[in-house]
Amino acid sequence: DVKVTQSSRYLVKRTGEKVFLECVQDMDHENMFWYRQDPGLGLRLIYFSYDVKMKEKGDIPEGYSVSREKKERFSLILESASTNQTSMYLCASSFRRGLINEQFFGPGTRLTVL
Amino acid sequence: RKEVEQDPGPFNVPEGATVAFNCTYSNSASQSFFWYRQDCRKEPKLLMSVYSSGNEDGRFTAQLNRASQYISLLIRDSKLSDSATYLCVVTQNSNSGYALNFGKGTSLLVTP
Repeated sequence: DVKVTQSSRYLVKRTGEKVFLECVQDMDHENMFWYRQDPGLGLRLIYFSYDVKMKEKGDIPEGYSVSREKKERFSLILESASTNQTSMYLCASSFRRGLINEQFFGPGTRLTVL
Repeated sequence: RKEVEQDPGPFNVPEGATVAFNCTYSNSASQSFFWYRQDCRKEPKLLMSVYSSGNEDGRFTAQLNRASQYISLLIRDSKLSDSATYLCVVTQNSNSGYALNFGKGTSLLVTP
């Protein structure tokens, strides 16, 4: 069974703090993704990575950066958290570089920025 | 025009009913199509891929109409456990990378 885990289910941070969201998958997937999900806006892609040290911007990369030093781990970084980054953050992974296949999602991290 | 559009619902149907959702997409170069299911406060999970010839999995049938640029999901004999949000996903691959477009989801509530 594919497992995607995220470091926290709930997180509360203050404006201006640096925030790290960690995602780990155990199926040797090449592709990894970070999304945020907001009511009325659906799922929006922030960044994705199709290999170690590779990253591509999604639809809403502003205010975020990512790191992929190991194949199994993909980190999302909020350099200076702001209240409009309060959201549900979902990580996903999929196999086979170059082709979009089934994505397996982690349980999500609900981030609140005060 | 949004890349992927779905009727948000909610669709309220009695147990045993048949219900259908449509999803339209704007990019004719779209290559892969999926339906995901998301339960309340849970992560999305793949329900089924959508193939050009249409495909069926038990009570669920998915169809693709490339000419009209829409995909559909039909659920027969609805169960209470089918209550969820159904997300349409449309993807394109190109030399510059991937494009992944999620619809905002259609909410289904099956009632006793």
